[in-house]
Amino acid sequence: DAMVIQNPRYQVTQFGKPVTLSCSQTLNHNVMYWYQQKSSQAPKLLFHYYDKDFNNEADTPDNFQSRRPNTSFCFLDIRSPGLGDAAMYLCATSRGTENSNQPQHFGDGTRLSIL
Amino acid sequence: DAKTTQPPSMDCAEGRAANLPCNHSTISGNEYVYWYRQIHSQGPQYIIHGLKNNETNEMASLIITEDRKSSTLILPHATLRDTAVYYCIVRVFYNYGQNFVFGPGTRLSVLP
Repeated sequence: DAMVIQNPRYQVTQFGKPVTLSCSQTLNHNVMYWYQQKSSQAPKLLFHYYDKDFNNEADTPDNFQSRRPNTSFCFLDIRSPGLGDAAMYLCATSRGTENSNQPQHFGDGTRLSIL
Repeated sequence: DAKTTQPPSMDCAEGRAANLPCNHSTISGNEYVYWYRQIHSQGPQYIIHGLKNNETNEMASLIITEDRKSSTLILPHATLRDTAVYYCIVRVFYNYGQNFVFGPGTRLSVLP
């Protein structure tokens, strides 16, 4: 089945040690998103790629970066993770033009723990 | 900031209809309303979306008021597997892209 796949499901890293989370999709969608979801809170958008164009939310910390080498893959890099970055990170995709109403499809997330 | 408000929690008896309300009083004319649900440790699952007309699919119905300031998600025959957090979302378009602004969510508990 076509889907959004996030690996790994659980990631543990040390305080200050860079970590990369990955997302792949078989839907051939042109838009990919990264969300951060802390415990008992709603997901919060960090940034998204519209094709190759990167769009950063205004309040996303500089510590968070992203790469999209091709249509199918997108990576979230956390350069120096702090304890406050422990969260579930969700990847989503959608198909669309600027005004598309197509829904987003989410992966099951990577739960990041910081030691 | 979220553009939607939802009750934090609701209960529903198994087999009965679950009606989940959402207020989006500042919604603009071209902004769609989406509903997702999230079961613990999984990603949000798409349910339904609409602009101004009522919508129905195999999972649920979406009723949007004429002034578009509120909507209701209806699960016609709730089962125990429908226990989840339900998010009402407004899709906001900016010059640089688009954002799904999640509301706070309603934790629905379906009781046997």
